[in-house]
Amino acid sequence: SYVVTQPPSVSVAPGRTATLSCQGDNIAIKTIHWYRQRPGQAPVLIVYDGTDRPSRIPGRISVSAPNSGDTATLTINRVDAGDEADYYCQVWHLGSDWVFGGGTRLTVL
Amino acid sequence: EAQLLESGGGLVQPGGSLRLSCAASGFSFTSHTMSWIRQTPGKRLEWVAAIGGTDGVTFYAAPVRGRFTISRDNSKNTLYLYMTTLSVADTAVYYCVREVIGRAAADVWGRGALVTVSP
Repeated sequence: SYVVTQPPSVSVAPGRTATLSCQGDNIAIKTIHWYRQRPGQAPVLIVYDGTDRPSRIPGRISVSAPNSGDTATLTINRVDAGDEADYYCQVWHLGSDWVFGGGTRLTVL
Repeated sequence: EAQLLESGGGLVQPGGSLRLSCAASGFSFTSHTMSWIRQTPGKRLEWVAAIGGTDGVTFYAAPVRGRFTISRDNSKNTLYLYMTTLSVADTAVYYCVREVIGRAAADVWGRGALVTVSP
């Protein structure tokens, strides 16, 4: 089965840039989606089809195309307290269907 | 505004059964494939099952295939998940989600229904 790996935690100071990685075998050829889950809430789709954002998601959030074939990166610029959450990446893989990473907890220092 | 509201969660003994319902509103229900996704106590997200909007074709994750049944009533804008032979490993918050058309991504999530399987 296909496996997607995310670092368990990332910490960043307010106003700085957070980079969250999502690693999987040859993930560059897959369509990647990203979700944000704030404490006590359901996940929210923040990026789909690799780079597209729903209209309600601010432009501070962007996704870098996989630079090594195996890693995609979600970037959050000018981080503030409201960005503190768990972030999950997800792909679709034939035979495994939807596959989620384990999630990264973003802590704003 | 598109909304999903789950119901039917609760405590059940191992080997028991439970049915979840999800009432949809604010969008064309038949236009979307609908899915169930669960979140384990360890916070892992797991896709469970999906059903097509009008053709009713179903798909299941391997751990639930043969035990869970997804269905929908388009006349009532309602999605269901019937779960049987439940085990402790099925303990999770179960989310009803709407799929982005043709994208295998979930753009609308319900608040979730907690299912606890315990002796």
